[in-house]
Amino acid sequence: AQSVTQLDSHVSVSEGTPVLLRCNYSSSYSPSLFWYVQHPNKGLQLLLKYTSAATLVKGINGFEAEFKKSETSFHLTKPSAHMSDAAEYFCVTSYNTDKLIFGTGTRLQVFP
Amino acid sequence: SQTIHQWPATLVQPVGSPLSLECTVEGTSNPNLYWYRQAAGRGLQLLFYSVGIGQISSEVPQNLSASRPQDRQFILSSKKLLLSDSGFYLCAWSFLAGGETQYFGPGTRLLVL
Repeated sequence: AQSVTQLDSHVSVSEGTPVLLRCNYSSSYSPSLFWYVQHPNKGLQLLLKYTSAATLVKGINGFEAEFKKSETSFHLTKPSAHMSDAAEYFCVTSYNTDKLIFGTGTRLQVFP
Repeated sequence: SQTIHQWPATLVQPVGSPLSLECTVEGTSNPNLYWYRQAAGRGLQLLFYSVGIGQISSEVPQNLSASRPQDRQFILSSKKLLLSDSGFYLCAWSFLAGGETQYFGPGTRLLVL
């Protein structure tokens, strides 16, 4: 069965430093993978999506993620954190094209 | 462009009272529609999804029900709320034909007292 594991429940960084949010997937075939962001008391916003067209996926707000089949990973990165990046981030995979499977989320804190 | 609306934004209800949350989508036809619940400090749980008017699939047994009276309207209901129904309810839509990306509404915060 497909699943995703977010390795860190909380990540804290200083403003201007790099961000790394880790996600590993489990799938018997090439999955569709997503990263969503949720700001407090808001809905989820799609950051980026991997669909096998390219292993390095660029998203909104300067985020990107790299699909590494050998490591079954899809980590989210950003070169320089902004205060506005503080939020909950979800790694997500899909099955049957209609349903999403969510990771448990990583809360990103950004300190000035 | 497509937009998705949810109301109310927040709701405080006593235990045993009924519930009706509404979700509507604009700018697309025949969307897949979804209801999720997000309990405090936890991930998202898919409650219901619908591929068409009157077609509802339930993912987990619970105190809630869903209906789709119109193509772009999805309603989440309960006859008698439980304390455990408290949470953040999110509606989402996706394109019907093979689309996987889901687009989420702003959510409804429900507190059952």
